[in-house]
Amino acid sequence: KQEVTQIPAALSVPEGENLVLNCSFTDSAIYNLQWFRQDPGKGLTSLLLIQSSQREQTSGRLNASLDKSSGRSTLYIAASQPGDSATYLCAVKPGTASKLTFGTGTRLQVTL
Amino acid sequence: EPEVTQTPSHQVTQMGQEVILRCVPISNHLYFYWYRQILGQKVEFLVSFYNNEISEKSEIFDDQFSVERPDGSNFTLKIRSTKLEDSAMYFCASDRGLSNQPQHFGDGTRLSIL
Repeated sequence: KQEVTQIPAALSVPEGENLVLNCSFTDSAIYNLQWFRQDPGKGLTSLLLIQSSQREQTSGRLNASLDKSSGRSTLYIAASQPGDSATYLCAVKPGTASKLTFGTGTRLQVTL
Repeated sequence: EPEVTQTPSHQVTQMGQEVILRCVPISNHLYFYWYRQILGQKVEFLVSFYNNEISEKSEIFDDQFSVERPDGSNFTLKIRSTKLEDSAMYFCASDRGLSNQPQHFGDGTRLSIL
Protein backbone atom coordinates (compact mmCIF):
# COMPACT_ATOMS: atom_id res chain seq x y z
CA LYS A 1 0.00 0.00 0.00
CA GLN A 2 1.40 3.38 -1.04
CA GLU A 3 2.22 5.75 1.81
CA VAL A 4 3.13 9.38 1.18
CA THR A 5 4.87 11.49 3.81
CA GLN A 6 5.67 15.18 3.77
CA ILE A 7 8.29 16.89 5.88
CA PRO A 8 8.17 19.35 7.53
CA ALA A 9 4.53 19.49 8.62
CA ALA A 10 4.80 23.24 9.04
CA LEU A 11 7.31 25.87 8.03
CA SER A 12 7.60 29.59 8.65
CA VAL A 13 10.07 31.67 6.66
CA PRO A 14 10.67 35.39 6.12
CA GLU A 15 9.77 36.88 2.78
CA GLY A 16 12.42 36.49 0.11
CA GLU A 17 13.83 33.21 1.35
CA ASN A 18 14.22 30.18 -0.88
CA LEU A 19 12.74 27.02 0.58
CA VAL A 20 12.38 23.30 -0.06
CA LEU A 21 9.43 21.08 0.76
CA ASN A 22 9.93 17.34 0.87
CA CYS A 23 7.72 14.44 -0.17
CA SER A 24 8.54 10.76 0.14
CA PHE A 25 6.61 7.72 -1.05
CA THR A 26 7.03 4.05 -0.29
CA ASP A 27 6.23 2.44 -3.66
CA SER A 28 8.42 3.68 -6.51
CA ALA A 29 6.07 2.25 -9.19
CA ILE A 30 4.38 5.56 -9.91
CA TYR A 31 2.85 6.98 -13.09
CA ASN A 32 3.23 10.60 -12.11
CA LEU A 33 3.44 12.91 -9.12
CA GLN A 34 1.56 16.15 -8.63
CA TRP A 35 2.15 19.06 -6.29
CA PHE A 36 -0.91 21.02 -5.16
CA ARG A 37 -1.57 24.16 -3.22
CA GLN A 38 -4.51 24.39 -0.82
CA ASP A 39 -5.62 27.62 0.81
CA PRO A 40 -7.59 27.32 4.09
CA GLY A 41 -11.07 25.95 3.46
CA LYS A 42 -10.52 25.92 -0.27
CA GLY A 43 -9.97 23.46 -3.09
CA LEU A 44 -6.79 22.02 -4.56
CA THR A 45 -4.85 23.94 -7.18
CA SER A 46 -2.46 21.88 -9.28
CA LEU A 47 0.99 23.47 -9.36
CA LEU A 48 3.26 21.00 -11.12
CA LEU A 49 3.11 17.48 -12.50
CA ILE A 50 6.16 15.28 -13.00
CA GLN A 51 5.88 12.14 -15.08
CA SER A 52 7.68 9.04 -13.83
CA SER A 53 10.28 9.37 -16.62
CA GLN A 54 11.11 12.96 -15.75
CA ARG A 55 13.55 14.38 -13.22
CA GLU A 56 12.16 17.88 -12.79
CA GLN A 57 9.57 20.42 -13.84
CA THR A 58 9.58 24.19 -13.50
CA SER A 59 6.85 26.80 -13.42
CA GLY A 60 7.84 30.35 -12.58
CA ARG A 61 9.39 30.41 -9.10
CA LEU A 62 8.53 26.75 -8.52
CA ASN A 63 10.73 23.79 -9.34
CA ALA A 64 9.79 20.21 -8.57
CA SER A 65 12.20 17.31 -8.74
CA LEU A 66 11.62 13.58 -8.72
CA ASP A 67 13.92 10.74 -7.72
CA LYS A 68 11.72 7.73 -8.31
CA SER A 69 14.25 5.12 -7.24
CA SER A 70 14.62 6.66 -3.80
CA GLY A 71 10.94 7.53 -3.52
CA ARG A 72 11.43 11.26 -3.12
CA SER A 73 10.25 14.53 -4.59
CA THR A 74 11.05 18.09 -3.60
CA LEU A 75 9.29 21.36 -4.30
CA TYR A 76 11.63 24.33 -4.39
CA ILE A 77 10.11 27.78 -4.03
CA ALA A 78 12.38 30.68 -4.92
CA ALA A 79 12.13 34.16 -3.43
CA SER A 80 9.10 33.34 -1.28
CA GLN A 81 6.28 35.88 -0.94
CA PRO A 82 3.48 36.26 1.65
CA GLY A 83 1.05 35.15 -1.07
CA ASP A 84 2.79 31.77 -1.11
CA SER A 85 1.37 31.06 2.36
CA ALA A 86 -0.78 27.93 2.02
CA THR A 87 -0.65 24.18 2.52
CA TYR A 88 1.32 22.29 -0.11
CA LEU A 89 0.33 18.72 -0.91
CA CYS A 90 2.08 16.10 -2.97
CA ALA A 91 0.19 13.19 -4.47
CA VAL A 92 1.27 10.12 -6.42
CA LYS A 93 -0.59 8.20 -9.08
CA PRO A 94 0.24 4.53 -9.74
CA GLY A 95 -1.39 4.12 -13.15
CA THR A 96 -3.61 5.48 -15.89
CA ALA A 97 -7.02 5.31 -14.31
CA SER A 98 -5.86 5.46 -10.78
CA LYS A 99 -6.53 7.46 -7.69
CA LEU A 100 -4.07 9.92 -6.25
CA THR A 101 -2.57 9.08 -2.88
CA PHE A 102 -1.95 12.27 -0.95
CA GLY A 103 0.62 13.25 1.63
CA THR A 104 -0.25 14.99 4.86
CA GLY A 105 0.88 18.36 3.54
CA THR A 106 3.28 21.11 4.59
CA ARG A 107 1.70 24.26 5.96
CA LEU A 108 3.82 27.19 4.81
CA GLN A 109 3.74 30.68 6.26
CA VAL A 110 5.78 33.43 4.65
CA THR A 111 6.14 36.42 6.94
CA LEU A 112 6.84 40.05 6.10
CA GLU B 1 -9.19 27.29 -18.85
CA PRO B 2 -11.82 24.57 -18.28
CA GLU B 3 -12.67 23.81 -14.66
CA VAL B 4 -14.31 21.13 -12.59
CA THR B 5 -17.37 22.69 -10.97
CA GLN B 6 -19.09 21.45 -7.82
CA THR B 7 -22.41 22.36 -6.28
CA PRO B 8 -23.40 23.25 -3.65
CA SER B 9 -20.36 24.84 -2.06
CA HIS B 10 -21.79 24.15 1.40
CA GLN B 11 -24.47 21.66 2.43
CA VAL B 12 -25.93 21.39 5.92
CA THR B 13 -28.02 18.30 6.60
CA GLN B 14 -29.61 16.56 9.55
CA MET B 15 -28.14 13.20 10.53
CA GLY B 16 -29.95 10.35 8.82
CA GLN B 17 -30.87 12.34 5.75
CA GLU B 18 -29.67 11.68 2.23
CA VAL B 19 -27.48 14.15 0.33
CA ILE B 20 -26.46 14.40 -3.29
CA LEU B 21 -23.28 16.22 -4.19
CA ARG B 22 -22.96 17.33 -7.77
CA CYS B 23 -20.00 17.77 -10.07
CA VAL B 24 -19.46 18.75 -13.67
CA PRO B 25 -16.09 17.34 -14.79
CA ILE B 26 -14.05 18.86 -17.58
CA SER B 27 -15.77 17.96 -20.83
CA ASN B 28 -13.04 15.97 -22.60
CA HIS B 29 -11.98 14.05 -19.50
CA LEU B 30 -12.69 10.35 -19.24
CA TYR B 31 -11.94 9.47 -15.61
CA PHE B 32 -13.84 10.87 -12.68
CA TYR B 33 -13.10 10.72 -8.97
CA TRP B 34 -14.48 11.61 -5.57
CA TYR B 35 -12.23 12.33 -2.60
CA ARG B 36 -12.96 13.62 0.87
CA GLN B 37 -10.98 15.58 3.43
CA ILE B 38 -12.03 15.54 7.06
CA LEU B 39 -10.98 18.74 8.80
CA GLY B 40 -7.28 18.66 9.60
CA GLN B 41 -6.71 15.32 7.89
CA LYS B 42 -5.37 13.97 4.58
CA VAL B 43 -7.27 14.01 1.34
CA GLU B 44 -8.67 10.47 0.99
CA PHE B 45 -9.78 8.67 -2.13
CA LEU B 46 -13.37 7.44 -2.24
CA VAL B 47 -14.13 6.18 -5.76
CA SER B 48 -13.10 6.36 -9.39
CA PHE B 49 -15.46 6.06 -12.36
CA TYR B 50 -14.77 5.28 -16.00
CA ASN B 51 -16.95 4.25 -18.91
CA ASN B 52 -20.09 4.48 -16.77
CA GLU B 53 -18.92 2.17 -14.07
CA ILE B 54 -16.90 2.20 -10.88
CA SER B 55 -13.30 1.27 -11.61
CA GLU B 56 -11.97 1.41 -8.05
CA LYS B 57 -13.30 2.20 -4.59
CA SER B 58 -11.80 2.52 -1.16
CA GLU B 59 -12.89 0.83 2.04
CA ILE B 60 -14.62 4.10 2.99
CA PHE B 61 -16.96 3.76 0.00
CA ASP B 62 -19.42 1.29 1.48
CA ASP B 63 -23.11 0.69 0.77
CA GLN B 64 -23.94 4.12 2.18
CA PHE B 65 -22.36 5.71 -0.89
CA SER B 66 -23.18 5.61 -4.58
CA VAL B 67 -22.11 7.46 -7.70
CA GLU B 68 -23.89 8.13 -10.93
CA ARG B 69 -23.37 9.88 -14.21
CA PRO B 70 -27.01 10.62 -15.06
CA ASP B 71 -26.27 12.48 -18.29
CA GLY B 72 -23.32 13.51 -20.42
CA SER B 73 -22.07 16.18 -18.06
CA ASN B 74 -22.98 15.59 -14.41
CA PHE B 75 -21.28 13.22 -11.96
CA THR B 76 -22.97 12.80 -8.59
CA LEU B 77 -22.12 11.35 -5.19
CA LYS B 78 -25.05 10.21 -3.09
CA ILE B 79 -24.67 9.61 0.64
CA ARG B 80 -27.58 7.82 2.31
CA SER B 81 -28.40 7.91 6.03
CA THR B 82 -25.74 10.48 6.78
CA LYS B 83 -23.75 10.24 9.99
CA LEU B 84 -21.90 12.88 11.99
CA GLU B 85 -18.58 11.44 10.80
CA ASP B 86 -19.54 12.10 7.17
CA SER B 87 -18.90 15.79 7.82
CA ALA B 88 -16.00 16.70 5.54
CA MET B 89 -15.01 18.54 2.40
CA TYR B 90 -15.83 16.44 -0.65
CA PHE B 91 -13.80 16.99 -3.80
CA CYS B 92 -14.62 15.90 -7.32
CA ALA B 93 -11.78 15.46 -9.80
CA SER B 94 -11.30 14.43 -13.41
CA ASP B 95 -8.50 13.65 -15.82
CA ARG B 96 -7.74 12.16 -19.22
CA GLY B 97 -5.66 9.30 -17.89
CA LEU B 98 -2.49 10.54 -19.57
CA SER B 99 0.79 10.58 -17.66
CA ASN B 100 1.62 14.13 -18.75
CA GLN B 101 -1.71 15.67 -17.76
CA PRO B 102 -2.81 16.51 -14.25
CA GLN B 103 -5.88 15.53 -12.34
CA HIS B 104 -8.08 18.60 -11.94
CA PHE B 105 -10.07 19.26 -8.79
CA GLY B 106 -13.19 21.25 -8.08
CA ASP B 107 -13.44 23.72 -5.21
CA GLY B 108 -15.23 21.15 -3.08
CA THR B 109 -18.51 20.84 -1.21
CA ARG B 110 -18.32 21.35 2.52
CA LEU B 111 -20.78 18.87 4.06
CA SER B 112 -21.88 19.52 7.63
CA ILE B 113 -24.01 16.88 9.35
CA LEU B 114 -25.91 18.09 12.41
